Amino acid sequence: KAGVTQTPRYLIKTRGQQVTLSCSPISGHRSVSWYQQTPGQGLQFLFEYFSETQRNKGNFPGRFSGRQFSNSRSEMNVSTLELGDSALYLCASSLGQAYQAFFGQGTRLTVV
Amino acid sequence: AQTVTQSQPEMSVQEAETVTLSCTYDTSESDYYLFWYKQPPSRQMILVIRQEAYKQQNATENRFSVNFQKAAKSFSLKISDSQLGDAAMYFCAYRTSGPGSARQLTFGSGTQLTVLP
Repeated sequence: KAGVTQTPRYLIKTRGQQVTLSCSPISGHRSVSWYQQTPGQGLQFLFEYFSETQRNKGNFPGRFSGRQFSNSRSEMNVSTLELGDSALYLCASSLGQAYQAFFGQGTRLTVV
Repeated sequence: AQTVTQSQPEMSVQEAETVTLSCTYDTSESDYYLFWYKQPPSRQMILVIRQEAYKQQNATENRFSVNFQKAAKSFSLKISDSQLGDAAMYFCAYRTSGPGSARQLTFGSGTQLTVLP
């Protein structure tokens, strides 16, 4: 059974640009969550989707958005990139609340 | 809001020895989950062990066990017979379990574990 797949693995963008990251959950998993990991702030929750609906959102500006498709694949978008958006973005999927979250290997975003 | 604190930024252990990583948390809830995740250089977060707050018995997974002290809000991880492959960053994490509640994980700042040959 394939694990959580995040694409791309690495990304370099210029300040002011926008970026879209993709996450394919484990087959059958309907819950997808996104986290930002930085050396200074650690791991912070961005948002969670379940059956195409955003159920929860972390304390991030509106430049961060996401969506989930009918096949449970999820994308997150960051507009007007800032240097501080440089981070490892992790996606996790699960069957639901009471179940284990499985993480992907992340997308390393560098903003220059 | 819940908070998770890991007071040991770095730890080291000799191969085959035992090491304990500390974690404390703050919550006003009575029902929740606690986790230890491992993040090796590959960056993928891997679940090591999980504890339900309503269970008094400490969770165990092979060489990994926890000491869960609910009243003290403490959740330490013990690694026995440490192996070189155990070297990684370890994160303690909290999640509520009530219906309709927030489902995200709240992570501690991590403990970098080095295993010495």
